[in-house]
Amino acid sequence: GEDVEQSLFLSVREGDSSVINCTYTDSSSTYLYWYKQEPGAGLQLLTYIFSNMDMKQDQRLTVLLNKKDKHLSLRIADTQTGDSAIYFCAESKDDYKLSFGAGTTVTVRA
Amino acid sequence: EAGVTQSPTHLIKTRGQQATLRCSPISGHTSVYWYQQALGLGLQFLLWYDEGEERNRGNFPPRFSGRQFPNYSSELNVNALELEDSALYLCASSRPGTGETQYFGPGTRLLVL
Repeated sequence: GEDVEQSLFLSVREGDSSVINCTYTDSSSTYLYWYKQEPGAGLQLLTYIFSNMDMKQDQRLTVLLNKKDKHLSLRIADTQTGDSAIYFCAESKDDYKLSFGAGTTVTVRA
Repeated sequence: EAGVTQSPTHLIKTRGQQATLRCSPISGHTSVYWYQQALGLGLQFLLWYDEGEERNRGNFPPRFSGRQFPNYSSELNVNALELEDSALYLCASSRPGTGETQYFGPGTRLLVL
């Protein structure tokens, strides 16, 4: 099974907030990442958080980290149609490779 | 500043053939990583190159190989192609040093018939 787990689908109304959740397994991971993948495209780095932080805000994006529960979340405020994509949570393992979740497909409806 | 570039964007091969995929990292990045995104299997780490050397590889057979050139660009070679090698192959690069953020290219979509 996956080391990193995410729910597979999220449907949200335009203008609402989206929250994508992720759990990871390696407590020694130093960085945790969120990447976005649009159809037919590669991965776009959205944001990342260092493991000694519990929150990071970057414009419409807020990352929350609960290290005790190994839980990471990404909140997108004022979700737009352009936010429709697959969102991947990833942990940095052994400082050289990324271990990804299966991805959460976010669908924004009008 | 240009991002990570990959070529070709699409590649169609038949079973048993060889495929060569290319990646140019962001300027100043010395590490290149290869990942496979196959349907139903998610994103899997393939190979890591740094300063011209293979530093680590994922759980893939030896017919997946590659190299890194003095200008830090990289090639991924897949020999004796099998149908299940059909996937999106993503290259990422990072600055020198371990634990640096990886930036991804657009990928090469390989289809094996």
